[in-house]
Amino acid sequence: DARVTQTPRDKVTEMGQEVTMRCQPILGHNTVFWYRQTMMQGLELLAYFRNRAPLDDSGMPKDRFSAEMPDATLATLKIQPSEPRDSAVYFCASAWGNVIDTQYFGPGTRLTVL
Amino acid sequence: QKEVEQNSGPLSVPEGAIASLNCTYSDRGSQSFFWYRQYSGKSPELIMFIYSNGDKEDGRFTAQLNKASQYVSLLIRDSQPSDSATYLCAVMRGKLIFGQGTELSVKP
Repeated sequence: DARVTQTPRDKVTEMGQEVTMRCQPILGHNTVFWYRQTMMQGLELLAYFRNRAPLDDSGMPKDRFSAEMPDATLATLKIQPSEPRDSAVYFCASAWGNVIDTQYFGPGTRLTVL
Repeated sequence: QKEVEQNSGPLSVPEGAIASLNCTYSDRGSQSFFWYRQYSGKSPELIMFIYSNGDKEDGRFTAQLNKASQYVSLLIRDSQPSDSATYLCAVMRGKLIFGQGTELSVKP
């Protein structure tokens, strides 16, 4: 059963701490997206990669957020230092090739920054 | 003005009725449109996409697109309590731009 996996599923941390979220895309998918969902802003694209190269990170606050793909099976999203306004659900999604309209979402990481 | 706008709801319909969910978009050059369903506490899942003007049917779901009016809708026939979820409209503009979502509640 091919699916996107994300860890951790829940994370509670204190302001100022570093947070790392991980995503394993569906095997064979070469395009990976990071989204953030809040009640106020809805679902927003933070960044996406194709073949491990960043294509668009315009939605990501550059001063504290960073996204990488160390290899084809792992994407990471890091926040350092974290702030209460970063509290949200972070979704990873993956797609194959240029068919980015068919994205498969992971279960999400619920982040709470106290 | 947001790029993709939806009525946040909640939209409440009785079981068996037709649920009509609406979405407007601001960029006239948008080419493809998507409806995602998101159950509470779960991730979005794609249920319909439409590229051309007119209607596209898939089971109980019909997507309607009117590019002249910059309007896309989703009709759910014979609504079931299991259809209760938030429905996200999305527009492809190099990347998916999502609306805020409409919460649908189907009452038994």
